[in-house]
Amino acid sequence: DVKVTQSSRYLVKRTGEKVFLECVQDMDHENMFWYRQDPGLGLRLIYFSYDVKMKEKGDIPEGYSVSREKKERFSLILESASTNQTSMYLCASENRGGNIQYFGAGTRLSVL
Amino acid sequence: EDKVVQSPLSLVVHEGDTVTLNCSYEVTNFRSLLWYKQEKKAPTFLFMLTSSGIEKKSGRLSSILDKKELSSILNITATQTGDSAIYLCAFHGSSNTGKLIFGQGTTLQVKP
Repeated sequence: DVKVTQSSRYLVKRTGEKVFLECVQDMDHENMFWYRQDPGLGLRLIYFSYDVKMKEKGDIPEGYSVSREKKERFSLILESASTNQTSMYLCASENRGGNIQYFGAGTRLSVL
Repeated sequence: EDKVVQSPLSLVVHEGDTVTLNCSYEVTNFRSLLWYKQEKKAPTFLFMLTSSGIEKKSGRLSSILDKKELSSILNITATQTGDSAIYLCAFHGSSNTGKLIFGQGTTLQVKP
């Protein structure tokens, strides 16, 4: 079974803090993704990566950055957290050329 | 701009009812359409539909793509309380980066 693990299920941070969300997959997938999920808006793509050290902006990259130093790990960074970044963050991975993305359990981030 | 629209946004039914969830899309390059089920955890993959138009079935769930109408339906027969979840529809474009475009999701509540 594919396993995508996100480091935290719940996280509470203060405005201005630097926040790291970690995601690890165990299936040697090339493609990895970060989404945020908000009520009524569905999942929106923040960043994705199709190889180590490669990254591409998604639809809403502002206020976020990512890091992919190893194939299995994809990190999402909020340089200076703001209250409008309070959301559910979902990580996913996919085999290159594949069609199915496998998701982690999500991190519910609250920025106070 | 590529878009996926799901309807209804929310639905409340009683156990034993049959439900039909809708997903319509406007895309420039279509490769596949995916359905996911999300309970209070990671979205889990249900079906992938391609332009072949073949119906997919799994137990009480089934789904089909209507290429002419640019839409897909997800049917659940004899609903159970365990079917309560958010159902997500997403389409996969033809690029090899794996980017998925998601609809807003349909929240289904099945009452005993």
